[in-house]
Amino acid sequence: GAVVSQHPSRVICKSGTSVKIECRSLDFQATTMFWYRQFPKQSLMLMATSNEGSKATYEQGVEKDKFLINHASLTLSTLTVTSAHPEDSSFYICSATSGPSSYEQYFGPGTRLTVT
Amino acid sequence: AQSVTQPDIHITVSEGASLELRCNYSYGATPYLFWYVQSPGQGLQLLLKYFSGDTLVQGIKGFEAEFKRSQSSFNLRKPSVHWSDAAEYFCAVGGYYKLSFGAGTTVTVRA
Repeated sequence: GAVVSQHPSRVICKSGTSVKIECRSLDFQATTMFWYRQFPKQSLMLMATSNEGSKATYEQGVEKDKFLINHASLTLSTLTVTSAHPEDSSFYICSATSGPSSYEQYFGPGTRLTVT
Repeated sequence: AQSVTQPDIHITVSEGASLELRCNYSYGATPYLFWYVQSPGQGLQLLLKYFSGDTLVQGIKGFEAEFKRSQSSFNLRKPSVHWSDAAEYFCAVGGYYKLSFGAGTTVTVRA
């Protein structure tokens, strides 16, 4: 149980375009989902926390107008990178938790974004 | 504020030898502690976790970790390393709201 999927696993887009990444909880309801960014050879940095039906909470330094997060249902959150630039190229990982009594986050397999 | 320090950036170990990865944390309350493993280009796989109770925690793939409150540590160990254990290992502290990750330790296994 507790499987989280991400789609796509890899995406290449041109500079200036937008790209959407989906994160789904397959076998549980995810009241909260998290989006992380990981640069090569580095750790995971939390970008934002999203609760179903609410606006996402962004970490300091993360541009909310650039990284749009939508958590419209209990099984789906999306991250849209708007007007992507090469510096947005990174590995994006989502995670999900099933509620306040759950202290474990379940991670998706990640999405490799390359902006050319 | 919560934070995690993994002092070892890179460890090389021979196959069959023992492995210990260090993790020190800072957390204002009772910590929830995790060890994750990441293979290149992949997501994170949970090796083990500590919430409460027995301070020696058993995980998957033959890994174990010991929580030492007095030392604010949660070191990961494996008695005999396999070539497939070569990966990046992350220690994390936190809980429902926010996880903080260490910088990671890269493990290389030599034949």
